[in-house]
Amino acid sequence: GDSVTQMEGPVTLSEEAFLTINCTYTATGYPSLFWYVQYPGEGLQLLLKATKADDKGSNKGFEATYRKETTSFHLEKGSVQVSDSAVYFCALSDGTGFQKLVFGTGTRLLVSP
Amino acid sequence: DSGVTQTPKHLITATGQRVTLRCSPRSGDLSVYWYQQSLDQGLQFLIQYYNGEERAKGNILERFSAQQFPDLHSELNLSSLELGDSALYFCASSVAKGSGTGELFFGEGSRLTVL
Repeated sequence: GDSVTQMEGPVTLSEEAFLTINCTYTATGYPSLFWYVQYPGEGLQLLLKATKADDKGSNKGFEATYRKETTSFHLEKGSVQVSDSAVYFCALSDGTGFQKLVFGTGTRLLVSP
Repeated sequence: DSGVTQTPKHLITATGQRVTLRCSPRSGDLSVYWYQQSLDQGLQFLIQYYNGEERAKGNILERFSAQQFPDLHSELNLSSLELGDSALYFCASSVAKGSGTGELFFGEGSRLTVL
């Protein structure tokens, strides 16, 4: 079945460092890809998305490009802030139209001042 | 605030017991999803309802059941609880059954501890 693989965490960075969190997927059909973020004590919220190959999703300085050839959707940010500390989940939709999302295991990001 | 309300926020119970988790979706959202988040399994999809009907089923145990009521709120029933059922249970909602946007709005979760 469909699956998402994320890099293990935690990722520990200093403020203003460059961030990459790797995500690869396995899917049949043409899934849409997403990054969700979970701040401490909160539910998940959508960070960005891409619905077809070569699309770039972006939000709050974060970017990810849908790469069909490498089945990847890596999350990047040029300069992280302490407030970016959270757990980041890569996810795909199964393409059936029912919006059931398959999530990766999550990557915890810790940013220190 | 996502607009999705889950109760209770925390629940401690004993093995063998039964609990009910409740979810009120965002106003206007017809789809409700239940996910289980545990340390060893990550975020697992359990079940989806759309306008009162079951639409998709994931890794939901037979001891678990759910339903969506006419007012669109949903309940997840967990019975014969085991230690391994301890987890954070999330409810999410979305506006339609197939818009394809993939934006689910998540509640803050119900943390279940089975002792």
